[in-house]
Amino acid sequence: DAKTTQPPSMDCAEGRAANLPCNHSTISGNEYVYWYRQIHSQGPQYIIHGLKNNETNEMASLIITEDRKSSTLILPHATLRDTAVYYCIVRVGGWGSGNTGKLIFGQGTTLQVKP
Amino acid sequence: EAQVTQNPRYLITVTGKKLTVTCSQNMNHEYMSWYRQDPGLGLRQIYYSMNVEVTDKGDVPEGYKVSRKEKRNFPLILESPSPNQTSLYFCASSFGGRSPLHFGNGTRLTVT
Repeated sequence: DAKTTQPPSMDCAEGRAANLPCNHSTISGNEYVYWYRQIHSQGPQYIIHGLKNNETNEMASLIITEDRKSSTLILPHATLRDTAVYYCIVRVGGWGSGNTGKLIFGQGTTLQVKP
Repeated sequence: EAQVTQNPRYLITVTGKKLTVTCSQNMNHEYMSWYRQDPGLGLRQIYYSMNVEVTDKGDVPEGYKVSRKEKRNFPLILESPSPNQTSLYFCASSFGGRSPLHFGNGTRLTVT
């Protein structure tokens, strides 16, 4: 599975959009981009995922570049409760050859939402 | 309620005393995995299992064992714990590579 690169920390004003970037320049054609977040020391929580099209759900939007080498997670109206560590990972979809089951989370981006 | 349950939540033990951290999921997930989290190092994968009787090493498997005798359970075994295994441990599961991971609430282990 490909490795991802994220900035270690970011700040965002409450009520503003938070845009969290992720670089995955070695992503393969069958790898999905997933975003999770971890609040304090709780178990990470799934946010959103996508393959090549942009995706939106009730929590966030995911924008994936056309070459799929990077993506951006957008929290449209950040609140103080969105302060967390955000992880971007890539993962092979399905159980065909090439899916080893190994996942690399990295250190993520610590997002601090400020009043 | 769909969930991944880890036990215990907190554990303090001494060097060399074998212990098992249990992980159980009620979602009929094929894939299960263990992670450890240490300050400044993020989440690191210890072992994973893609189905019953199929397990493989992650990035930091030394000092750990796992087994997957049935689909719902994936225990993490420390045969001879050492202080460098003091950490926060998470278990996770999913249907397959295309579905999101569900994480447990974590087990904080201290080895003295």
